[in-house]
Amino acid sequence: GDSVTQMEGPVTLSEEAFLTINCTYTATGYPSLFWYVQYPGEGLQLLLKATKADDKGSNKGFEATYRKETTSFHLEKGSVQVSDSAVYFCALRGNNRLAFGKGNQVVVIP
Amino acid sequence: GAGVSQSPSNKVTEKGKDVELRCDPISGHTALYWYRQSLGQGLEFLIYFQGNSAPDKSGLPSDRFSAERTGGSVSTLTIQRTQQEDSAVYLCASSLLLGPGDEKLFFGSGTQLSVL
Repeated sequence: GDSVTQMEGPVTLSEEAFLTINCTYTATGYPSLFWYVQYPGEGLQLLLKATKADDKGSNKGFEATYRKETTSFHLEKGSVQVSDSAVYFCALRGNNRLAFGKGNQVVVIP
Repeated sequence: GAGVSQSPSNKVTEKGKDVELRCDPISGHTALYWYRQSLGQGLEFLIYFQGNSAPDKSGLPSDRFSAERTGGSVSTLTIQRTQQEDSAVYLCASSLLLGPGDEKLFFGSGTQLSVL
């Protein structure tokens, strides 16, 4: 079935560092792809999305490009802030649901 | 309220007891989802309601789990004869369809269930 795979383990980095979180997907066709974020003590919320191949989603300095050749939707930010500390989930729109990856905890140290 | 509301926020129960978790979606959202979030396991799909259509129950892990949605609004997730492995955060989301294959989910803060 449709699924997404995120890189293993938490990510710890210093303020102003470059962030990449890898996400690859398995699906029939070309589903819409999403990144959701869960800040400490808050519910999940949509960060960005891309609905077709080669689309780039962007929000709050984060970007992700829908790459059908590599079935990927990696999340990037050029200069992270302490306020970006959160759990990030990659997701795809499958049949009757969003299928989520396991999430990556990101900790940004001042 | 303006967001998805879940209650209770925390529930501690004894093994073998039944529990009911409640979700109030955003008014006007026709789709409603239940997910389960376990440590290190990401979000596990449980069930999906869309309007008056038959719900997609394919994610329910066992027949101890059931859910209903009354009047197309409030939903209740029921877990019978709870087991310790049911301990998790249960998340509800309602959604706004933005176009074919394009959807934005609004999540509640979840119910933390602990089965002792």
